[in-house]
Amino acid sequence: DTEVTQTPKHLVMGMTNKKSLKCEQHMGHRAMYWYKQKAKKPPELMFVYSYEKLSINESVPSRFSPECPNSSLLNLHLHALQPEDSALYLCASSPGIQGTEAFFGQGTRLTVV
Amino acid sequence: SQQGEEDPQALSIQEGENATMNCSYKTSINNLQWYRQNSGRGLVHLILIRSNEREKHSGRLRVTLDTSKKSSSLLITASRAADTASYFCATFVAGGTSYGKLTFGQGTILTVHP
Repeated sequence: DTEVTQTPKHLVMGMTNKKSLKCEQHMGHRAMYWYKQKAKKPPELMFVYSYEKLSINESVPSRFSPECPNSSLLNLHLHALQPEDSALYLCASSPGIQGTEAFFGQGTRLTVV
Repeated sequence: SQQGEEDPQALSIQEGENATMNCSYKTSINNLQWYRQNSGRGLVHLILIRSNEREKHSGRLRVTLDTSKKSSSLLITASRAADTASYFCATFVAGGTSYGKLTFGQGTILTVHP
């Protein structure tokens, strides 16, 4: 199994809603990432987890809250988002050794209304 | 801030032609990777070149890395319509106490006409 599975594929939420994005991998990878991608732009790193511990937070607003309950699962909790947060949210994983290739999920297309 | 800048931003060629994309970056890196993205969905890893390597091949792909110029190029030979996608370079810089960062360049949109 070489897949990273993200759910849901699409999400529409209001600015007062609370929602969560889910990412799962069963490749035994020990690094997991969240990226945000706006249309016609490159992915921008948000968070990196290494061995279930938050390793990097790229100064992401607190309305985005990551969680890594176990080595296979990564969540992104969303609260009080703004319309400008609408984007494609990509999850990726890689083996624990630094610098190896990253495997990406298909993303969750988020629209904040 | 983005580590990599790519050119051209868009490239349109005929099937069978070669496509070359360039990537420049600003800081020392551990490796450079190229990814492909179809229709704004997930990215697929194509090839990784380490900082001590100069050239690497994988099928129809050829990647070069010049660390003195902080630049890389991706060559796709004998292109096919199915190669139509966005291509991104990504630089990896290892962390000290933290995990390293994989930072993406601006990307090149490749269109291959049948």
